[in-house]
Amino acid sequence: GQQLNQSPQSMFIQEGEDVSMNCTSSSIFNTWLWYKQDPGEGPVLLIALYKAGELTSNGRLTAQFGITRKDSFLNISASIPSDVGIYFCAGPEYGNYQLIWGAGTKLIIKP
Amino acid sequence: EAGVTQSPTHLIKTRGQQATLRCSPISGHTSVYWYQQALGLGLQFLLWYDEGEERNRGNFPPRFSGRQFPNYSSELNVNALELEDSALYLCASSLPGQGAEAFFGQGTRLTVV
Repeated sequence: GQQLNQSPQSMFIQEGEDVSMNCTSSSIFNTWLWYKQDPGEGPVLLIALYKAGELTSNGRLTAQFGITRKDSFLNISASIPSDVGIYFCAGPEYGNYQLIWGAGTKLIIKP
Repeated sequence: EAGVTQSPTHLIKTRGQQATLRCSPISGHTSVYWYQQALGLGLQFLLWYDEGEERNRGNFPPRFSGRQFPNYSSELNVNALELEDSALYLCASSLPGQGAEAFFGQGTRLTVV
C-alpha cells in the first residue's frame, strides 16, 4: 500500500532558527496535508496542498507540494517556543478517502 | 461552530472489560474516522464510517468495532480490553467525499490496567 516517509524523526533547534522537514512517497498523492499535534491533543490541520508545485503559507509556516507529486516540504521560519510539538504529513489513499500518515517529526526547542 | 467533540476525555478500564468511546462530528460532516495513537507513536487507522456505513477498516482485530448513528455521531467499542489497547483514540470528521481535510477531536485517553 501507499506509505509516507517523513524526516527527520526529531529536531533540536534554537529559538529563532528556521526549520525544514519533508515527506516523501514512492507513489503519487493528489493532496498533501500538514498537521501539528500538541501533547495529549488531537492533530490540528496547518496547511493543505492540492496542486503540484503549489506553495502555500500560513503565518510563519510555508509548505510546498512537490512537482512530482511524490513529496512535500514544510518550513517554519523564526521558530518560537509554541512551535514545539509533533508535525505530521498526511495524504488521502488512492481510491479511498482515509488518510495515510507519516510517522511525525518531533520539534524540540533547546533551552 | 463547534469542532469535533469526543467523550470521555479519559477512561480507565481493567483488562477484559469493554470500553465505549463517543464522537460528535462537525455539523455537516458525514464521514467519521477513528485512529489509535499509542504513546509516542504515529496514528494508526482504525475505522471509517460514512452515511451510517462502515467504509473501511484498518488492521485491527474484530474486538474493535463501532457504528455511526443517523445524526452522524459515532461510537467506538473495544471488547476484551488488553493492556496494549492503552492509547489515545482520536476521532476525525470530514465533509462527504473529502477525506483530505479531516478535523480532529481532542481524543480519549484510554488506560487499561
